[in-house]
Amino acid sequence: GAGVSQSPSNKVTEKGKDVELRCDPISGHTALYWYRQRLGQGLEFLIYFQGNSAPDKSGLPSDRFSAERTGESVSTLTIQRTQQEDSAVYLCASSLGLVFGANVLTFGAGSRLTVL
Amino acid sequence: AQSVAQPEDQVNVAEGNPLTVKCTYSVSGNPYLFWYVQYPNRGLQFLLKYITGDNLVKGSYGFEAEFNKSQTSFHLKKPSALVSDSALYFCAVRGGNQGGKLIFGQGTELSVKP
Repeated sequence: GAGVSQSPSNKVTEKGKDVELRCDPISGHTALYWYRQRLGQGLEFLIYFQGNSAPDKSGLPSDRFSAERTGESVSTLTIQRTQQEDSAVYLCASSLGLVFGANVLTFGAGSRLTVL
Repeated sequence: AQSVAQPEDQVNVAEGNPLTVKCTYSVSGNPYLFWYVQYPNRGLQFLLKYITGDNLVKGSYGFEAEFNKSQTSFHLKKPSALVSDSALYFCAVRGGNQGGKLIFGQGTELSVKP
């Protein structure tokens, strides 16, 4: 597609439930990022995928968080046993990757997660 | 570890006046530096980047930023602010030897009043 697509745009869940967030990057973008933005705060790095390399998971806050990417396309971010502090907007971004120099990210509109 | 600091949570400027949004960074290796903007109810958009070369970088909407290696800073500037510039601004950095991981600052809310 023309841009980065994220779904769902809004998700309300109960504490303890699992949620799955999806990201469709721009076609041909080899790099994919997930960030978390809590209300009124900055972007917190979660995970980075680059082609077939092992992902950089250094930002995942706990083992309840995981992410997968199928080749150079769709990615899913899974949060298990959600807690209220997981409430945030989860942003996905993609880019052409390092071979093209400094990577300019194109962001999706985000998935707003509310944990009751 | 790489990090970015935006020391001001909010910057208030009168329309027509120059504006500066501050950013300092810490990385291993040569830095790749970026500014992104988030308008209300809209997604994050790229403004400009520094890779190498001239320390003064020009970007979208009349914005520019100056890379200062000795002060490890990359402040965003505009000679004459517009009300429509009001938004949340993020500085970001990637270390040259740290793969593609891009770290963002906490953001600075810019408010331009008529």
